[in-house]
Amino acid sequence: NAGVTQTPKFQVLKTGQSMTLQCAQDMNHEYMSWYRQDPGMGLRLIHYSVGAGITDQGEVPNGYNVSRSTTEDFPLRLLSAAPSQTSVYFCASSYSTSAGGAYEQYFGPGTRLTVT
Amino acid sequence: LAKTTQPISMDSYEGQEVNITCSHNNIATNDYITWYQQFPSQGPRFIIQGYKTKVTNEVASLFIPADRKSSTLSLPRVSLSDTAVYYCLVGASSNDYKLSFGAGTTVTVRA
Repeated sequence: NAGVTQTPKFQVLKTGQSMTLQCAQDMNHEYMSWYRQDPGMGLRLIHYSVGAGITDQGEVPNGYNVSRSTTEDFPLRLLSAAPSQTSVYFCASSYSTSAGGAYEQYFGPGTRLTVT
Repeated sequence: LAKTTQPISMDSYEGQEVNITCSHNNIATNDYITWYQQFPSQGPRFIIQGYKTKVTNEVASLFIPADRKSSTLSLPRVSLSDTAVYYCLVGASSNDYKLSFGAGTTVTVRA
């Protein structure tokens, strides 16, 4: 299993540009999520999905869109990049069929995004 | 989500045992306690999860007292490679998916 993969690893955008961060998992996990981590900070939840066709907002959803058309993929779209979105973005997935399951999350390697 | 409080940083030496305590006074009846480890430039990695008493795996032990208002992650005989940030999370996955990582505890292991 490749686990959770993210592309690209690094990205530089200009203010106002849009882009999609890709996330895929091959573990047939129901739950997938996107976090951002600013320097010296913990992770903050952007959006999450409990299954194909179902998404919901996390703690910091503004400026981001998600969709979940398949179990495997959960792309994150930046609509109009702003310098405040400079961060490291992590995608995670987990099974969630039992109590406590969604907390055993598997994280991708991250995408380091700089917006100038 | 139950709020958690953990120390910002801890220092240790190789071979010592490191104990990180997390306070979660508002833990709900069906909440689980989960710990993650994060190395620089990597995503967090699940370490251990428990509901009550003691849980042990090949990496760590998790001690949870009867009132469950705190928990302690124990790392036995740490090495330099255990230098990382450790996060404590509390919640119930079955109806609460909004997981929140606080600032965590930065553990620095010295030779």
